[in-house]
Amino acid sequence: NAGVTQTPKFQVLKTGQSMTLQCAQDMNHEYMSWYRQDPGMGLRLIHYSVGAGITDQGEVPNGYNVSRSTTEDFPLRLLSAAPSQTSVYFCASSWTGTDGYTFGSGTRLTVV
Amino acid sequence: AQSVTQPDIHITVSEGASLELRCNYSYGATPYLFWYVQSPGQGLQLLLKYFSGDTLVQGIKGFEAEFKRSQSSFNLRKPSVHWSDAAEYFCAVVVSGSARQLTFGSGTQLTVLP
Repeated sequence: NAGVTQTPKFQVLKTGQSMTLQCAQDMNHEYMSWYRQDPGMGLRLIHYSVGAGITDQGEVPNGYNVSRSTTEDFPLRLLSAAPSQTSVYFCASSWTGTDGYTFGSGTRLTVV
Repeated sequence: AQSVTQPDIHITVSEGASLELRCNYSYGATPYLFWYVQSPGQGLQLLLKYFSGDTLVQGIKGFEAEFKRSQSSFNLRKPSVHWSDAAEYFCAVVVSGSARQLTFGSGTQLTVLP
């Protein structure tokens, strides 16, 4: 049982480049989320999904795009990377949203 | 405004001492309440959760939390801290509704002295 798998674990991008952070879960969870973690700011919600084909914006969605074509996968796309997007990104999933979320191990992204 | 507040940015305790981490929330109705722990370089692990029932909830790793409606608080406690408890602790809430997404406090960093 792999849980929530995020790839890559580390990434360095140049300003203006695009990339996709991958997130997959094998628990058949309906709810999935992307967070960014910055020092002193806790975790902030970027985008979320309540089921395949359904996505919505969170607190800090600008510069990011998501889609949810399957229950298992919820990729996060950076359209044109900026230094302000340097952060640690976490993907999480939950069966009901109120039973607690399972987190991936994170992707540390640096934009230079 | 709706928010989750962890007033202590950093707490230092000696191994074997008791621990209490504070969490306050500001929401119209009582949300679902959670505590997560994050060890260095790791993801977040759920310690415990509360929505209704007994206001003292037990979690993993010997942690417990007490819900106090009158104070809008959900403080995390442990009777005797171990060196392996050094980590960052996050209080979080989920509000009932269609989104059901976690909103986090800013975290409390715990240092354990030998």
